[in-house]
Amino acid sequence: GENVEQHPSTLSVQEGDSAVIKCTYSDSASNYFPWYKQELGKRPQLIIDIRSNVGEKKDQRIAVTLNKTAKHFSLHITETQPEDSAVYFCAASRSGGGADGLTFGKGTHLIIQP
Amino acid sequence: GAVVSQHPSWVICKSGTSVKIECRSLDFQATTMFWYRQFPKQSLMLMATSNEGSKATYEQGVEKDKFLINHASLTLSTLTVTSAHPEDSSFYICSARDPGTALNTEAFFGQGTRLTVV
Repeated sequence: GENVEQHPSTLSVQEGDSAVIKCTYSDSASNYFPWYKQELGKRPQLIIDIRSNVGEKKDQRIAVTLNKTAKHFSLHITETQPEDSAVYFCAASRSGGGADGLTFGKGTHLIIQP
Repeated sequence: GAVVSQHPSWVICKSGTSVKIECRSLDFQATTMFWYRQFPKQSLMLMATSNEGSKATYEQGVEKDKFLINHASLTLSTLTVTSAHPEDSSFYICSARDPGTALNTEAFFGQGTRLTVV
């Protein structure tokens, strides 16, 4: 089955600086890679996702890059703000018409220092 | 986006009893729903895939007789934790994808159920 590794487990950055979180996956058949933000006790919220036919996607301060050959993808947050503090999870899936669940990384606790 | 509603949000039960958790897709029909478990400060782990009108598919290591899944309609899946024990205490979250959306990839999550077994 799929295995997703995520690093770092904790990331502390100064407000205004950039944050980068990296993930690797093992299943070459995976073709959908979402990133979620989760606040304590709440449901995961999708912040950005990318499919395997695209190398990069950007949405305002958030971007995701995918290297399918190396099987790794990264989340980039620029101009970080205090409200960006949360736990972030990467995930991978064979989208397969919605028939497959997500395999999550272990999460990164992002701390934005004022 | 599509809405997935989960009930209850939290439940406390005595050891040995059973607890049922409901997951509903409110504005779309879902032939497939997914159940995850999240222990404190850990990641979400896929437990099983719930298929409307057929048996659920369980991930390795998940006891199908302990975690009963029923997906009797296109908008409702239920997870029953049978003979619950303290080690079953966790955050249970369901998700579904809306087949009506383009590419059918985004997963919509319920708000989760905090189960505490005492």
